Amino acid sequence: DAGITQSPRHKVTETGTPVTLRCHQTENHRYMYWYRQDPGHGLRLIHYSYGVKDTDKGEVSDGYSVSRSKTEDFLLTLESATSSQTSVYFCAISETRLAGGFDEQFFGPGTRLTVL
Amino acid sequence: AQSVTQLGSHVSVSEGALVLLRCNYSSSVPPYLFWYVQYPNQGLQLLLKYTSAATLVKGINGFEAEFKKSETSFHLTKPSAHMSDAAEYFCAVSALSYNTDKLIFGTGTRLQVFP
Repeated sequence: DAGITQSPRHKVTETGTPVTLRCHQTENHRYMYWYRQDPGHGLRLIHYSYGVKDTDKGEVSDGYSVSRSKTEDFLLTLESATSSQTSVYFCAISETRLAGGFDEQFFGPGTRLTVL
Repeated sequence: AQSVTQLGSHVSVSEGALVLLRCNYSSSVPPYLFWYVQYPNQGLQLLLKYTSAATLVKGINGFEAEFKKSETSFHLTKPSAHMSDAAEYFCAVSALSYNTDKLIFGTGTRLQVFP
């Protein structure tokens, strides 16, 4: 299994509080991704990183920010959590671009976030 | 733009029966296609991937999928279902961009296997 850990694994917080989720990898992969999973929506990309300090928005980035100061860590921050951000959050990593190779994304175990 | 449609949010089969999970894609460029499986309270695990080398792709746990360009389909099959196949399955298509390759996921199909 790819070395990907997420912390915390479960979190309950209140509306309006800041929350930071951490993804840590030991694979030295270049690309990292944050998804949220909601019933009926599958997985939707929030933000991704294509290198240290290089990040970009996905399809559902409003209300989220990210940072990547080291290859191994990718942080997802909810500046002011809302109930609509209650979800399961997954981190993923990949090494090569698909166009240049056949790599797939490897997923972490997920973080279940509840915003009351 | 790329997109994926999974027909049927729930599929139920008897143990030993054929498993067929449907996936149709839309892509303006030759696609890379993936099937992932998610067991309860776990992350996603790659089952198989199509990268244009062969239209019939074999994956783990006895699953396979066939790429049909004329039908824009990439259906997942397994000849004989096992109880351990009960899980949620996601089809995904690659979406090329200037700085990375994103995956566009379908909404998932939950497979139930009855004894």
